Amino acid sequence: DQQVKQNSPSLSVQEGRISILNCDYTNSMFDYFLWYKKYPAEGPTFLISISSIKDKNEDGRFTVFLNKSAKHLSLHIVPSQPGDSAVYFCAASGWETSGSRLTFGEGTQLTVNP
Amino acid sequence: DAGVTQSPTHLIKTRGQQVTLRCSPISGHKSVSWYQQVLGQGPQFIFQYYEKEERGRGNFPDRFSARQFPNYSSELNVNALLLGDSALYLCASSVGRGKGGANVLTFGAGSRLTVL
Repeated sequence: DQQVKQNSPSLSVQEGRISILNCDYTNSMFDYFLWYKKYPAEGPTFLISISSIKDKNEDGRFTVFLNKSAKHLSLHIVPSQPGDSAVYFCAASGWETSGSRLTFGEGTQLTVNP
Repeated sequence: DAGVTQSPTHLIKTRGQQVTLRCSPISGHKSVSWYQQVLGQGPQFIFQYYEKEERGRGNFPDRFSARQFPNYSSELNVNALLLGDSALYLCASSVGRGKGGANVLTFGAGSRLTVL
């Protein structure tokens, strides 16, 4: 039972263009969503988060959008840079659990070409 | 500042053996969580410890156990290893148990376990 799903295993974009990574969830109890990125041989690094009471959160080049009715969130990276090439994980936490109990998607490998 | 440190970084075991993985959280962080990441999948929650008590457990068999010490470091133990236990084991720490801000998880680089 995959409660958080990232349907695109990989995404390739040109430097300077927009990268859009998508994530769907099925559990209505999720109230907090995060994006992590992971480079090889490193642990996941926190990127940006959003509470279910919001529909958008922005931090520099990164923006996360949440559509609760569709149970869908997306991460926009503008402009994309070669250093953004990494695996991106979407994660969610339920209102009844602590912030340490995250449910992760399978990840999307982003490649930004110079 | 030192981040979350894990040891060993790599290890190889055979089926039926036991393994202990260690984690030192960021100074001042009282919550430690363990995750298992199988190749090609996202991390899966195993345990959370906060103030030395177990505060959450994922869907893992009793062969998996953990503890947190007075200095907030933690150990994950896996008994009777199976081939399917081969994975990257990630430790994460946070200041508290809540969501947002300072309680966002900071992950270590992981311990890569191979079971033959």
